[in-house]
Formats: sequence, C-alpha cells, structure tokens
Amino acid sequence: QLQLQESGPGLVKPSETLSLTCTVSGGSISSGKYYWGWIRQPPGKGLEWIGSIFYSGSTYYNPSLKSRVTISVDTSTNQFSLKLNSVTAADTAVYYCGRHPAAAATDYWGQGTLVTVSS
Amino acid sequence: DIQMTQSPSSLSASVGDRVTITCRASQTISTYLNWYQQEPGKAPKLLIYAASRLQSGVPSRFSGSGSGTDFTLTISSLQPEDFATYYCQQSYSSLLYTFGQGTRLEIK
Repeated sequence: QLQLQESGPGLVKPSETLSLTCTVSGGSISSGKYYWGWIRQPPGKGLEWIGSIFYSGSTYYNPSLKSRVTISVDTSTNQFSLKLNSVTAADTAVYYCGRHPAAAATDYWGQGTLVTVSS
Repeated sequence: DIQMTQSPSSLSASVGDRVTITCRASQTISTYLNWYQQEPGKAPKLLIYAASRLQSGVPSRFSGSGSGTDFTLTISSLQPEDFATYYCQQSYSSLLYTFGQGTRLEIK
C-alpha cells in the first residue's frame, strides 16, 4: 500500500524559506507513471495546488507561486521536496503531498502538515 | 487560468436524502474533472475521477456526470459518514490544477 508522509518544521519566520519533504513508501517515485505534487490549505479555507514534479525532474508550478517555489526529487531516497521562499503569514497552511498521473486526479495523499508563519 | 465554481457553497440535508453538487468550469475541460471528499482534520479523499469514474473502494451511492463545462456529483442516499466538504478539481490544464471553493454538506 502506497504511503506518503510530509515532514519539516511546523514554524517558519516571515521572509524565511519553508522547506518540506515527502517520503514515499510502498512504491517507487521512479516508476515513471506518476507525478508527485504539493497542495496546501490555509486554515478554514479551500485547496490550492502548488506544483508537481516527475521523477526525471520536470516540474509544473502554480503561476501565482512560481517565483517563490522550487520542487525537487531525490530518487535515491524516494523523496520529493518543496521549498517556498520569502514566506508571509498568508503562507500559513496545511501542506499536503500527493501522487497523480498526468492530467488526472490525486489518488494518494499524505496526512498533511501544518506550517505556521510567525515571528 | 481555468476557474472552477461550485454550488451551493453549503447544503443542509438529512440521512437518506439525494444530494447533488454542481461544478462549472470557466472553459471547456472535456472530462478532466475530479471530486474529493474532505472530513475535518483529514486529507482529501478521491471519490470520482474523469468526471464519472468511481475510485476503487468508494461506495456506489456516489456518482459523477458531465463534460465540457458543467459537472455534477450526486449522492443517492446520504449516510452519516457523508457529511463533509466536497471539492471539484480540473486536471485539464497541466499548468494549474485548480479546485473549486468547496461545498460543505451539513446535517439538517
């Protein structure tokens, strides 16, 4: 059974960089069939897609976040990561990682991790 | 960007009711439309993909329909565990997979 688990600091200071890692178990990131993505949800609000990466390193980013976002993949550790720089309070959210085929639904999700931006 | 608009934003219903939630895309997306259920404090769960295909393990009381710009999620007979928030999502645009704003389904 595929499992995804987010990890990283739960508190980040304004103007600093948010860094999260998603560890995939029960399947290989390098299978070549799926993209691996990040989605976030501010408290009490809806879902926002951040971006996705293929095992080869090809990336797609939400244009509204593109200037601040980097998603990378490490096939040797079966992990992919999110970096969001110059964060503000508006970036406070639960961050989810997930898996999706090209042009298709996210069928596996991590449990999510709350990141708060505050001094 | 493709905008997704759900209606209603919230809905009160009783166990056993038939419920329909609609989702409209700002441009045609063929059948690249997915539906998720989210319970409080949990990750979203995929219910329907490609507009009408039931995800494995999802009860058959859930169904989806539509193509182009207009889509519906129907729950044929509400069960207590169905009271949650539902989101549609388009996966047509590889540049941005947008979600609807959500529909909160509450117990009447």
